Amino acid sequence: QQQVKQSPQSLIVQKGGIPIINCAYENTAFDYFPWYQQFPGKGPALLIAIRPDVSEKKEGRFTISFNKSAKQFSLHIMDSQPGDSATYFCAASKAAGNKLTFGGGTRVLVKP
Amino acid sequence: DGGITQSPKYLFRKEGQNVTLSCEQNLNHDAMYWYRQDPGQGLRLIYYSQIVNDFQKGDIAEGYSVSREKKESFPLTVTSAQKNPTAFYLCASSVKSGPHGYTFGSGTRLTVV
Repeated sequence: QQQVKQSPQSLIVQKGGIPIINCAYENTAFDYFPWYQQFPGKGPALLIAIRPDVSEKKEGRFTISFNKSAKQFSLHIMDSQPGDSATYFCAASKAAGNKLTFGGGTRVLVKP
Repeated sequence: DGGITQSPKYLFRKEGQNVTLSCEQNLNHDAMYWYRQDPGQGLRLIYYSQIVNDFQKGDIAEGYSVSREKKESFPLTVTSAQKNPTAFYLCASSVKSGPHGYTFGSGTRLTVV
């Protein structure tokens, strides 16, 4: 049973556009929601993370929005650049432990 | 610099052979993980270990084995029982408790020839 559902599977935007990736979770015990960025042939790297006590977090051009009541969170990439073209994974874990459950990934292509 | 080292980067295996993928970390992390990634797919958990000499099966453990004799090392053996082993294998580590992110290695691409 997939506990974190991620959509869309792929996304194409023009440079300067705002790709938005959505994730929904089922387990209300989840308490930590990171996003990872993966370039082809490389391991994923932690991009930004949020706890449910805040509704939004920004780091540079990356913003996480969190809706605890809907059990959803999303990643926005502001002023997207071709260098942002990568696969993005959302994830979630329980506060008491650290094993992450990953979404299925979204392949983002930013066209010049 | 602290990090996770996976080796080799590319590995070729003949059918019927066992192969072992190496994963070493110098981050002093207690927990280590192995994931499998197929083309265009997400990350599927194979095994994880939260302490030396202990490990648990993930979602797709069949055909794989691990050991955790040292805190720094978590090798993965792909056995001949794994019928479709061609994939990208990722090792990760994290602190043992509390909500923290993973640090991933750069991966090993295994191909059956």
